[in-house]
Amino acid sequence: DAGVTQSPTHLIKTRGQHVTLRCSPISGHKSVSWYQQVLGQGPQFIFQYYEKEERGRGNFPDRFSARQFPNYSSELNVNALLLGDSALYLCASSLASNTEAFFGQGTRLTVV
Amino acid sequence: TQLLEQSPQFLSIQEGENLTVYCNSSSVFSSLQWYRQEPGEGPVLLVTVVTGGEVKKLKRLTFQFGDARKDSSLHITAAQPGDTGLYLCAKEANAGKSTFGDGTTLTVKP
Repeated sequence: DAGVTQSPTHLIKTRGQHVTLRCSPISGHKSVSWYQQVLGQGPQFIFQYYEKEERGRGNFPDRFSARQFPNYSSELNVNALLLGDSALYLCASSLASNTEAFFGQGTRLTVV
Repeated sequence: TQLLEQSPQFLSIQEGENLTVYCNSSSVFSSLQWYRQEPGEGPVLLVTVVTGGEVKKLKRLTFQFGDARKDSSLHITAAQPGDTGLYLCAKEANAGKSTFGDGTTLTVKP
């Protein structure tokens, strides 16, 4: 069975550009969460979506947005990229909003 | 503000040695999770502890939850190179909104 899949695995963008990261949850999982992990730190919560609705938002600027599709896959969008947005972006899926989460391998974003 | 403090930040030991890493908070946890993360991968859940004083064992790993549910420890017996990784503790609001510590980076040398 496929785990959580994220694409792309690596990405290089220039300051000011926009980026879209994608996540496919484990089959049957309806909740998707996004985390940002800067080098040397633990993951920081960005968003949670459950049944296509936003259920939680972390302390991130409005440049960050996300959505969940009818098939429960999700996109994370970041506008006006800054150098400080360089990080590993992790997606986690779970059956429901309060069950164990399984993480994907992440997307490594580098902003130059 | 970092709600979870993990120590030590870095630990480098020889194969066969024992080690303990710690996770502390000023507030009470309803539950606490330990994860291991390898380079280029996402975190993998090792254990969830819920009850104060609880001890759980996973092969050579022993997890303890403090009586007051404000701290936890992870002890590894006879460490192996395969134990190398970043060990993260997380406090869970619900499964999608975990607050993580900054982790302990463990290196086990052959």
